[in-house]
Parts: sequence; C-alpha cells; structure tokens
Amino acid sequence: EVQLVESGGGLVQPGGSLRLSCAASGLTFNNYVMSWVRQAPGKGLEWVSGISGSGDSTYYADSVKGRFTIYRDNSKNTLYLQMNSLRAEDTAVYYCAKGGYSYASYFDYWGQGTLVTVSS
Amino acid sequence: EIVLTQSPDFQSVTPKEKVTITCRASQSIGTSLHWYQQKPDQSPNLLIKYASQSISGVPSRFSGSGSGTDFTLTINSLEAEDAAAYYCHQSNSFPLTFGGGTKVEIK
Repeated sequence: EVQLVESGGGLVQPGGSLRLSCAASGLTFNNYVMSWVRQAPGKGLEWVSGISGSGDSTYYADSVKGRFTIYRDNSKNTLYLQMNSLRAEDTAVYYCAKGGYSYASYFDYWGQGTLVTVSS
Repeated sequence: EIVLTQSPDFQSVTPKEKVTITCRASQSIGTSLHWYQQKPDQSPNLLIKYASQSISGVPSRFSGSGSGTDFTLTINSLEAEDAAAYYCHQSNSFPLTFGGGTKVEIK
C-alpha cells in the first residue's frame, strides 16, 4: 500500500525558512513524478511545485518561484520542499501528492498534510 | 496559465438527488481533467481521472464527462457520506491548476 507521510511544518516568522519532507513507501519511488499541493485555511487547492522521477526536471507555481526549491532523494524515498523568504500568504496545509510516470497525470495518492503557519 | 472555473460554488442537496458540477477550462485541455473529493479535515481523494475514467474503489454513482473546455462531474443518487468539497484539476500544461471547488451540503 502506498503511503506518503509529510513532516516539517510549524510556526515560522515572515522572511524565515522551513524544509518539508515527505517519506514515501509502498511504491518504486523513482518511477513517479511527485508534487506539493497546498491549501490555505478555508480555501481551495493550489499546486505549488512538481519534480520528475529522476529529479532532473522541476516546475513551480509563479507564487513560489525563486523562493521554494523542490528536490528528492530517491535513495531515501523522500521528497522535500525547501521554503525560503516565507510570507503570510504561504500559510497553508502542504500535501505531497504522487503523480504518474509523466506530468500529464492525476494525483492518485496524497499525504495527510503538514501545516505551515507564517506569522510574527 | 489555464484557469478552471467550477460552478456552482455551493450546493445544498437532499439525499437521493442527482448532483451536477461543471468545470470550464480557459483553453482546450483535451481530457487531461481529473476530479477529487475532499471531506472536512481529510486529504483529497481521486474520484475520476482523464475526464471520464472511473477509479477502483470509488462508488459507481460518481461519473465524469466532457472534453476540450467543458467538463461535468455527476453524482447520481446522493448519499449522506458525499458531503464534501469537489475539485477539478488539469494536467495538460504547467502550471498545473485546480478549480475553485464546489461544496456539497446535505439538506
């Protein structure tokens, strides 16, 4: 059974940094595109970033480009999101989501989410 | 960026009624459109992939249709457990985008 477990969320001041992790199990991790999707309190879903199975290709939403970095360690079956220069509007639950073999795919597994709160 | 516009934003429905949610894309996306259900305090759950393909384990009362720019999620004979938010998502091009969501409430 595929499992995705996020960690690393918490309270951080504006301008601060945080690194999220997503530990994957039950799948051949390096075969799949992975993404981060966030949800601000009481709001809808927003795709944040995606990475190819090899880690060679990455994509970002304009709202986080230049501030967030997605990467993966396939030897540890773990996905990461390094978040710098955090803003109040980055406050959200962050989900990691498993895609398909390519980017043109749906998200068939989601983690439970980790809450990031940016506030002074 | 491809904008997905869902309607309605909110729907209050009695059990056994039929629910129809629409998702309109700002440009043609073929059938690269997927639907998710999110119950309160839970992660999203995939309902329909590629506009109309069913997902194993999802009740048959959920179905999808459409292609190009206009898509529909239909819930036949709504059950109390279907109270949730529903989102469409396009994987045709970057940035990947979601619709704004439709909240379905049970009367």
